[in-house]
Amino acid sequence: DQQVKQNSPSLSVQEGRISILNCDYTNSMFDYFLWYKKYPAEGPTFLISISSIKDKNEDGRFTVFLNKSAKHLSLHIVPSQPGDSAVYFCAASQTGANNLFFGTGTRLTVIP
Amino acid sequence: GAGVSQSPRYKVAKRGQDVALRCDPISGHVSLFWYQQALGQGPEFLTYFQNEAQLDKSGLPSDRFFAERPEGSVSTLKIQRTQQEDSAVYLCASSLPGAHQETQYFGPGTRLLVL
Repeated sequence: DQQVKQNSPSLSVQEGRISILNCDYTNSMFDYFLWYKKYPAEGPTFLISISSIKDKNEDGRFTVFLNKSAKHLSLHIVPSQPGDSAVYFCAASQTGANNLFFGTGTRLTVIP
Repeated sequence: GAGVSQSPRYKVAKRGQDVALRCDPISGHVSLFWYQQALGQGPEFLTYFQNEAQLDKSGLPSDRFFAERPEGSVSTLKIQRTQQEDSAVYLCASSLPGAHQETQYFGPGTRLLVL
């Protein structure tokens, strides 16, 4: 049973516009959420995270929003750049657990 | 400093063969994780070490899968009698221990193809 879901397998955005990647989860025990970015032939690299005590975390062009009541989070990239083209994975964890639960990823293409 | 490294990067095995995949974590990282990523899927947890102790192996899909980290640094994931469904990218990650498993640093993975 997939506990973290990314329902959009792909997204295309014009350079300079906003990219919005969405993620839903089912386990209400999750209290920490992360976004990873993955280029081909490389491992995922950590991008940004958010604790369940917050509803927003910002780091430069990247902002993550968390809606706990809807069990939904999103990653906003503004402005989008061609170098942002990659697969983005949403992941979740809970305090005391050892592992991350990943979504299936969204392939973002930023068109120059 | 060096990141997480994995070897080999690619492995082709005949069905029934045994394989061994190596992970060198970031120096000083006591936590080490193995994940399996099937085609078109996200990484799925296999097992977790803290130093040399294997604290969680709940994600290992069968008793053909075995992982070890005898000296608390390098880890090896061994798959015995490989099957076609074992074909996947095997990712290793390491991190400092903390309340949350944030900032797991991943290696590039080993792509295993079982024919």
